[in-house]
Amino acid sequence: LAKTTQPISMDSYEGQEVNITCSHNNIATNDYITWYQQFPSQGPRFIIQGYKTKVTNEVASLFIPADRKSSTLSLPRVSLSDTAVYYCLVGPITGGGNKLTFGTGTQLKVEL
Amino acid sequence: EPEVTQTPSHQVTQMGQEVILRCVPISNHLYFYWYRQILGQKVEFLVSFYNNEISEKSEIFDDQFSVERPDGSNFTLKIRSTKLEDSAMYFCASMWGQTLNTEAFFGQGTRLTVV
Repeated sequence: LAKTTQPISMDSYEGQEVNITCSHNNIATNDYITWYQQFPSQGPRFIIQGYKTKVTNEVASLFIPADRKSSTLSLPRVSLSDTAVYYCLVGPITGGGNKLTFGTGTQLKVEL
Repeated sequence: EPEVTQTPSHQVTQMGQEVILRCVPISNHLYFYWYRQILGQKVEFLVSFYNNEISEKSEIFDDQFSVERPDGSNFTLKIRSTKLEDSAMYFCASMWGQTLNTEAFFGQGTRLTVV
C-alpha cells in the first residue's frame, strides 16, 4: 500500500481557495487517489477520486501531475463549514470490496 | 439521498459486558464494513463482509468480535466481553462495489464507552 504524507494542519479564511497536497512517492500503476472528509464525531465522507490529470466535481477539484507522485485537493471559496479533517488515500481498485486505509489526515480550520 | 444509519448513537457499558452495535447499510450495496476510531486517532479498518461472510479482517478483529447480517437489512457488530480499550467511535460503512469506485458511505457512528 502506497504511503501518503499530508500536512498535519492548515488554516484558511472564508472565501479563500484551499489546496491540500498529498505526497505518495511509491504509488503503484493500478492505484487510485481518493479524498475523504471527516467532521468531528461523524463518519468520513467521500469527496473525490482520480487516477491522473484533473478531476472536478461540485465540491472540489483533484489535480494529479503526470508522475502521479503527489496530488492536490483544491477546495474553492471555503466556508466555516469546510472545517474538517481531509484524508488522502491511495490504493488499488479491484471492482469491489476494497477496505480503506486512513492516515492521520490534514486538519483544515477555516476562520472568518 | 440514501444513507447508512447506526444505532445507538451512544452506548455506555461495563467492562466484560457484551454489546451489539447495529447498522442499516444502503439497500442495494453489496459490501459492508466496520471501522473504529479511538479518540484523537486514525480511522481503523476492522472487518469487511460480502456475500454473507467475512472477506477480510484486521488484527484488531479478534475472537471477541463478530459480525452478522441477520436479515436483509441489518448488519451488526458484536463485542463479546468489552475491555476499556474498546472505547471508541465505531463506524459502519457500505459500498456498492460494482464499479471501479471506492466511494464508501459511512454512518454517523456509535460512540462506545466502556467503564
